[in-house]
Amino acid sequence: DQQVKQNSPSLSVQEGRISILNCDYTNSMFDYFLWYKKYPAEGPTFLISISSIKDKNEDGRFTVFLNKSAKHLSLHIVPSQPGDSAVYFCAASANSGTYKYIFGTGTRLKVLA
Amino acid sequence: GAGVSQTPSNKVTEKGKYVELRCDPISGHTALYWYRQSLGQGPEFLIYFQGTGAADDSGLPNDRFFAVRPEGSVSTLKIQRTERGDSAVYLCASSLTTGGGNEQFFGPGTRLTVL
Repeated sequence: DQQVKQNSPSLSVQEGRISILNCDYTNSMFDYFLWYKKYPAEGPTFLISISSIKDKNEDGRFTVFLNKSAKHLSLHIVPSQPGDSAVYFCAASANSGTYKYIFGTGTRLKVLA
Repeated sequence: GAGVSQTPSNKVTEKGKYVELRCDPISGHTALYWYRQSLGQGPEFLIYFQGTGAADDSGLPNDRFFAVRPEGSVSTLKIQRTERGDSAVYLCASSLTTGGGNEQFFGPGTRLTVL
């Protein structure tokens, strides 16, 4: 039972354009959500997070939107850069982000120069 | 400062053998986590330590898997009688403590291949 789903395995975007990565979850107990970026042969790197008491969190070029009623979150990258090409994982946690992260299967983003 | 380190980076073993995977967390981080990532999947939680004790080992797939953190810093994941299905990347992460705002920092992983 996949509690966190990333239904798009891959996405290609032109440099300078917006990248939108989507994530859906099923467990209504999740109250903390994160995005991680992963390059080949490296561990996942934390990108941005959002608590369920918010519906938006912004950090530079990265913005995460949370729609609790739809159990959906998205990561927007504007403008996209070639260095953003990586696999992006959505993760969720219950109990205010306490320890156990449940990850999606990832979306491979390719930003074309 | 130094990040999370894991050794070895690659481990090839034969079915039935015993392996140990080591994790050095970020200095001062009290919480340590092990995850396993199979091909085409996201990381899957295995076990969580708060200090020296395993606070949650519910993700360990069976009793062939065991992890220790005797001094509250370095941790070792031990796998007995390895099986081909154990082949995966084993990721270690640490955080200052738990809860929102204390995101987990991951190491580069150990790629385990069981022949």
